Amino acid sequence: EGQLVESGGGLVQPGGSLRLSCAASGLTLSRHWLTWVRQAPGKGLEWVASIKQDGSEIYYVDSVKGRFTISRDNVDNSLSLQMNSLRGDDTAVYYCATGASSLSVWGQGTTVTVSS
Amino acid sequence: QSAVTQPASVSGSPGQSITISCTGTSNDVGGYKYVSWYQQHPGKAPKLIISEVSDRPSGVSSRFSGSKSGNTASLTISGLQADDEADYYCSSFTSSTTWVFGGGTKLTVL
Repeated sequence: EGQLVESGGGLVQPGGSLRLSCAASGLTLSRHWLTWVRQAPGKGLEWVASIKQDGSEIYYVDSVKGRFTISRDNVDNSLSLQMNSLRGDDTAVYYCATGASSLSVWGQGTTVTVSS
Repeated sequence: QSAVTQPASVSGSPGQSITISCTGTSNDVGGYKYVSWYQQHPGKAPKLIISEVSDRPSGVSSRFSGSKSGNTASLTISGLQADDEADYYCSSFTSSTTWVFGGGTKLTVL
């Protein structure tokens, strides 16, 4: 089975921006819906955004609409999440995963901390 | 957006069976076959254990089973083992073309 590896997390001030990336090995991402899920410290999982194989359908949780942009590069076999206007409640571990209704392969997560 | 409810915690002894519920509405859990379950051990990424209400991915133990009745989906773990101690999350597709996770259930194996 293939693997997903997230990168790009870090410490950012409120109002700042960050771009997360998700690289695949042993997986052809173009065959799959792709999803970002986050988990705030000590909290449960929260679905963030999903994108269809060809990018023609994109969906977001209300709390990130207008601030986050999910995108994919099927040539580069990668997924991205551009996060703008970051807030304290965006602090979380961010996971990328294949699928939408059933998230089959998950990365190990990358941590985003929004704090001054 | 939708809210799907799970019990905060359940517990059972080794060898016993437990069931975790996932209650939503006709706009999510009750309206679609797209209910999945995930297991998450501390510090680890979640793992898919049930898809489309009751399908078990390859490699997942047959001790895990899923079902649905009305607006409530259920995960049953039979023959509890120590390694089953983890957090469990359900997720569902919704009528808003979004997905929602339940709040999670902490399973303690006594």
